[in-house]
Amino acid sequence: GAGVSQTPSNKVTEKGKYVELRCDPISGHTALYWYRQSLGQGPEFLIYFQGTGAADDSGLPNDRFFAVRPEGSVSTLKIQRTERGDSAVYLCASSLTQGVYNEQFFGPGTRLTVL
Amino acid sequence: DAKTTQPPSMDCAEGRAANLPCNHSTISGNEYVYWYRQIHSQGPQYIIHGLKNNETNEMASLIITEDRKSSTLILPHATLRDTAVYYCIVRPTHNDYKLSFGAGTTVTVRA
Repeated sequence: GAGVSQTPSNKVTEKGKYVELRCDPISGHTALYWYRQSLGQGPEFLIYFQGTGAADDSGLPNDRFFAVRPEGSVSTLKIQRTERGDSAVYLCASSLTQGVYNEQFFGPGTRLTVL
Repeated sequence: DAKTTQPPSMDCAEGRAANLPCNHSTISGNEYVYWYRQIHSQGPQYIIHGLKNNETNEMASLIITEDRKSSTLILPHATLRDTAVYYCIVRPTHNDYKLSFGAGTTVTVRA
């Protein structure tokens, strides 16, 4: 079956611009996660959705970052006034529900480059 | 606040077993040990997890020491496609949606 998909696969933008990154989770998965991976490092947690609501957004670095999941399926990560330090791979994952027994399936990521 | 320690890199010969160590000396009784791997340009992929018993699945085996302070991931017959970064993660059950990745071990399987 289809896995987690993310679009675009690559995004190049200029400093100060607004970007949206999209995640399509596995059908039926109620939990959705965003992570960010800088070069040479492991992924870092950003935000977790259970259904439509953000259950934990403690990993978002500042208020320029925002994410939504209005219908409990597709999620969009939004970054305002992008900075060069935002350059990273943004990974999305989904799981059947939340919990240590539920494997998180990751998408291939969106590579964001801020010039 | 790294909870695991892994060697930064290791090489392995194709067809041989690869033994990947992980130290987690501060692990508490209700925390699980998880392993993920990340092949170049892909998202992380779940491999295996365990609490205190050894575990085996179609991908790998996980050996956890009796004191639970360390573990070893075993890839029984490494192939070139196993070249990846391998992450050992301690995952608390009370806060079980976050995966806290460290830097991992870069494993290179050589022909």
